[in-house]
Amino acid sequence: DVKVTQSSRYLVKRTGEKVFLECVQDMDHENMFWYRQDPGLGLRLIYFSYDVKMKEKGDIPEGYSVSREKKERFSLILESASTNQTSMYLCASSLGGQGWGYTFGSGTRLTVV
Amino acid sequence: QKEVEQDPGPLSVPEGAIVSLNCTYSNSAFQYFMWYRQYSRKGPELLMYTYSSGNKEDGRFTAQVDKSSKYISLFIRDSQPSDSATYLCAMTFTGTASKLTFGTGTRLQVTL
Repeated sequence: DVKVTQSSRYLVKRTGEKVFLECVQDMDHENMFWYRQDPGLGLRLIYFSYDVKMKEKGDIPEGYSVSREKKERFSLILESASTNQTSMYLCASSLGGQGWGYTFGSGTRLTVV
Repeated sequence: QKEVEQDPGPLSVPEGAIVSLNCTYSNSAFQYFMWYRQYSRKGPELLMYTYSSGNKEDGRFTAQVDKSSKYISLFIRDSQPSDSATYLCAMTFTGTASKLTFGTGTRLQVTL
């Protein structure tokens, strides 16, 4: 089974802190994604990556950046955390090519106080 | 208008009922259709995957795609309390590198 592991299940950070969310997948998937999930808004794509060192903005990239130095690892960075970034963050990966489904991690519930 | 519309529910049914979950979409280019199940405080997991129109069955679950109506459905037979979760539809089209468009999810509660 493909496994996508997110480093933390719950995080509490202070406003203005720099926050790193880590995601690792173990099945050599080309594509990796970061979403946030909020009640009533569903899944919103923040950033995605089709290859090492490549990144593309999703629908809501403001206030976030990403890093993909190795194929298996995709990091989401909150440059200066704000309370409106309190959310559930989900990492996903998929095979390259078209039409493949995602495998998601268990999510990180981030609270910014 | 959103590209994918899904009733958020909640939908409450008694154990053993047949459940019908639905999504409508506006982009006729969508070719690949999926259903994800998400339990509380967990990530979504892929439940059903179909390509183009037609039906697909897996145990108690049946996925239907009607491209002419831009309408997809997930049926759950003999529903169980363990089916209580949020169900998200997702879709993508040929020519992209598998970036999915998701519905907002329908919350299902199966009661004893």
